[in-house]
Amino acid sequence: DSGVTQTPKHLITATGQRVTLRCSPRSGDLSVYWYQQSLDQGLQFLIQYYNGEERAKGNILERFSAQQFPDLHSELNLSSLELGDSALYFCASSTSLLAANYNEQFFGPGTRLTVL
Amino acid sequence: SQKIEQNSEALNIQEGKTATLTCNYTNYSPAYLQWYRQDPGRGPVFLLLIRENEKEKRKERLKVTFDTTLKQSLFHITASQPADSATYLCALDMNAGNNRKLIWGLGTSLAVNP
Repeated sequence: DSGVTQTPKHLITATGQRVTLRCSPRSGDLSVYWYQQSLDQGLQFLIQYYNGEERAKGNILERFSAQQFPDLHSELNLSSLELGDSALYFCASSTSLLAANYNEQFFGPGTRLTVL
Repeated sequence: SQKIEQNSEALNIQEGKTATLTCNYTNYSPAYLQWYRQDPGRGPVFLLLIRENEKEKRKERLKVTFDTTLKQSLFHITASQPADSATYLCALDMNAGNNRKLIWGLGTSLAVNP
């Protein structure tokens, strides 16, 4: 158990809908990362938050948004869902922002999103 | 842009043998290179990290090498066991100022046969 929790575990919805995925990082971790993993694309970095602030952006669509709250949990919002958004969505956390104080990322169990 | 290539074909080896997985990258060398293990339907689990100024890193039966000239990292599992069967992901740490991103390979599936 990595200490990172994600809810829900599974989510089935229809095209055009909006969903919210939730992540609680390990106790003490200030950085939260969101990833999308599909069979043909591998693990794609979406966005990173550090202590409530957005720090890095990857291949995140405009239909997607995220935020990190004062208690450090994070939510990933996916809207106007398309069939191609079906994937595993992982949240990861780490203690440090700076590469000089590197720490590995701890991944949650993921949320499997199916868009019908 | 930085690209990572891992063996797309699954690797099948006999129990007790050494498994060697390859990670090649293009363009500039990363500050760090990491290896993760991923089991089906689960999140990746960190295994080893190697810095650009390190040639080799070991942890129990695991060994990682990093050749910045060849732009390649090799991941070895010695005395392999069926429990080592999983997908192994290579990730490059791209540090841009205070922003850290990991660029991931697609992974190599390893099957250790008893």
